[in-house]
Amino acid sequence: DTEVTQTPKHLVMGMTNKKSLKCEQHMGHRAMYWYKQKAKKPPELMFVYSYEKLSINESVPSRFSPECPNSSLLNLHLHALQPEDSALYLCASSQVDMNTEAFFGQGTRLTVV
Amino acid sequence: AQSVSQHNHHVILSEAASLELGCNYSYGGTVNLFWYVQYPGQHLQLLLKYFSGDPLVKGIKGFEAEFIKSKFSFNLRKPSVQWSDTAEYFCAVNLYSSASKIIFGSGTRLSIRP
Repeated sequence: DTEVTQTPKHLVMGMTNKKSLKCEQHMGHRAMYWYKQKAKKPPELMFVYSYEKLSINESVPSRFSPECPNSSLLNLHLHALQPEDSALYLCASSQVDMNTEAFFGQGTRLTVV
Repeated sequence: AQSVSQHNHHVILSEAASLELGCNYSYGGTVNLFWYVQYPGQHLQLLLKYFSGDPLVKGIKGFEAEFIKSKFSFNLRKPSVQWSDTAEYFCAVNLYSSASKIIFGSGTRLSIRP
């Protein structure tokens, strides 16, 4: 199983809503990532978790709150987002090792209205 | 600053033409290098990777890439493209320190004329 599963596939939320994005993998990977991808742009790294601990936060606004409840799951909690936060949010996982590739999910298409 | 550059933003080729997409990185440490492809409406897929050893690496679907350390480059090649190669191609590096930090170049959109 080399899948990274993200739910939901699409999400529309208002600026006052609270929602969560979910990501799951069963490859035994202990590094998990959140990326943001705007249209016609590359994925931008947001957060990295290693062994369920936050190891990299790329100066992401606090309205995005990641959580890694166990080695298979990664959440991204959203609160008070802005329309410019609308994007494709990608989850990825890998081994915690330099010589590793990342496996990506299909993403959640988020629209903030 | 650590970065990955792809200078070709949009490449248009006819079927059977040869392809070369440029990638340069800026990082003084040891890096691992990747090419990912994103077909329309699909998730990012790994085409090939370089960790160490032979600087010429072969990937899926007939793609290959050459790591030239002195030029900080990792260019992607394919001798004969097909219409199905139409996609967005991203070069990426793992700026590993205490954790993996995989960052992407700006991407190259490849359009193949049938």
